[in-house]
Amino acid sequence: GEQVEQRPPHLSVREGDSAVITCTYTDPNSYYFFWYKQEPGASLQLLMKVFSSTEINEGQGFTVLLNKKDKRLSLNLTAAHPGDSAAYFCAVSLYYGSSGNKLIFGIGTLLSVKP
Amino acid sequence: GGIITQTPKFLIGQEGQKLTLKCQQNFNHDTMYWYRQDSGKGLRLIYYSITENDLQKGDLSEGYDASREKKSSFSLTVTSAQKNEMAVFLCASSPGTYTGQLYFGEGSKLTVL
Repeated sequence: GEQVEQRPPHLSVREGDSAVITCTYTDPNSYYFFWYKQEPGASLQLLMKVFSSTEINEGQGFTVLLNKKDKRLSLNLTAAHPGDSAAYFCAVSLYYGSSGNKLIFGIGTLLSVKP
Repeated sequence: GGIITQTPKFLIGQEGQKLTLKCQQNFNHDTMYWYRQDSGKGLRLIYYSITENDLQKGDLSEGYDASREKKSSFSLTVTSAQKNEMAVFLCASSPGTYTGQLYFGEGSKLTVL
């Protein structure tokens, strides 16, 4: 089945530094890709979803790159601040026909941004 | 907007006990999910349901039962809790089977003594 590998599991950066989290996946039929953020004690919140074969999406303070050829998804926080400290999860969506679709998640990256 | 409510937020049980977690959503979403979150292992799918009375097994269904008696609710039962088991169970819903975007509850933390 689909395997999603997320690196690194822990990441500590200084305020203003960039932080990059990467996921690789195995199933070439994967078609939706997501980044979720989970702050301590809170639920997972969607950061961004991407679909195209090679896409760069820019959000507020971050960039998401999808490279379907390499089966790689990355999240780049361009200038991290302490409020970005959280767990980040990538997720890949697979379609199972009449059984619907399900998300396969990476193990998560715990990001700590120090002032 | 809508909300997903999980109850209880904290559940402490004894080894061998049957324990049930409940989830309610008012998004009117078709599909609902139960994930287990363990540190260092990400989220693993236990069960999901694409409509009322439907159940689909995930990768981690052994040791669990689920029930979707209403569109708005999805229950998960740990059939025999294992000692030293500690995990967070996350309920989620999505508007359809093809969009992929999930909306999550805040989680139910299980501790087995």
